Amino acid sequence: EAGVAQSPRYKIIEKRQSVAFWCNPISGHATLYWYQQILGQGPKLLIQFQNNGVVDDSQLPKDRFSAERLKGVDSTLKIQPAKLEDSAVYLCASSSPTVNEKLFFGSGTQLSVL
Amino acid sequence: GDSVTQMEGPVTLSEEAFLTINCTYTATGYPSLFWYVQYPGEGLQLLLKATKADDKGSNKGFEATYRKETTSFHLEKGSVQVSDSAVYFCALKAGGGADGLTFGKGTHLIIQP
Repeated sequence: EAGVAQSPRYKIIEKRQSVAFWCNPISGHATLYWYQQILGQGPKLLIQFQNNGVVDDSQLPKDRFSAERLKGVDSTLKIQPAKLEDSAVYLCASSSPTVNEKLFFGSGTQLSVL
Repeated sequence: GDSVTQMEGPVTLSEEAFLTINCTYTATGYPSLFWYVQYPGEGLQLLLKATKADDKGSNKGFEATYRKETTSFHLEKGSVQVSDSAVYFCALKAGGGADGLTFGKGTHLIIQP
């Protein structure tokens, strides 16, 4: 089966610019997650969707980060305006009750803010 | 809040050596515990899991036992191979509705031939 698709693979922007990341989960997976992984640290959950509804966005910096999953399939994560400390790999993951708590991760988008 | 602490890396071992990567956690209730692995150039993938106390997860020769009394989930392998070189992440999923994972910082394992 096709895995979780993410694009772009790399992105370099200046601080205060905006950027968007796209994720297409595994077909049929109702739950979608966005994680932020800063170099040398473990992934940190930013937001979790169940279909097109938000389940948990308690760690999402809502003054600059936004995410949507309008049709309950693919999702977009946006940063506006970006700060230097947003430099990280942004990981998308999906899961389904049928896979018994297993998360499937995409390869991530590596963001560098200069 | 929930947290996971795992041993600092990098951990460098010779092929066929015994491996232990320590992981301890803090969580309310009864979390599920996981080890994820990230091979060079690849995405994170589930290695093994345990969902209740005294459960043992195993996969690819790796094992970890859920120890509630010591709040630990140490990863072990009896004889490592060069192909096991990767970054290993311990993680937990707390009980309740939201089920996003809380990860440790990761341990970089380097196996030398």
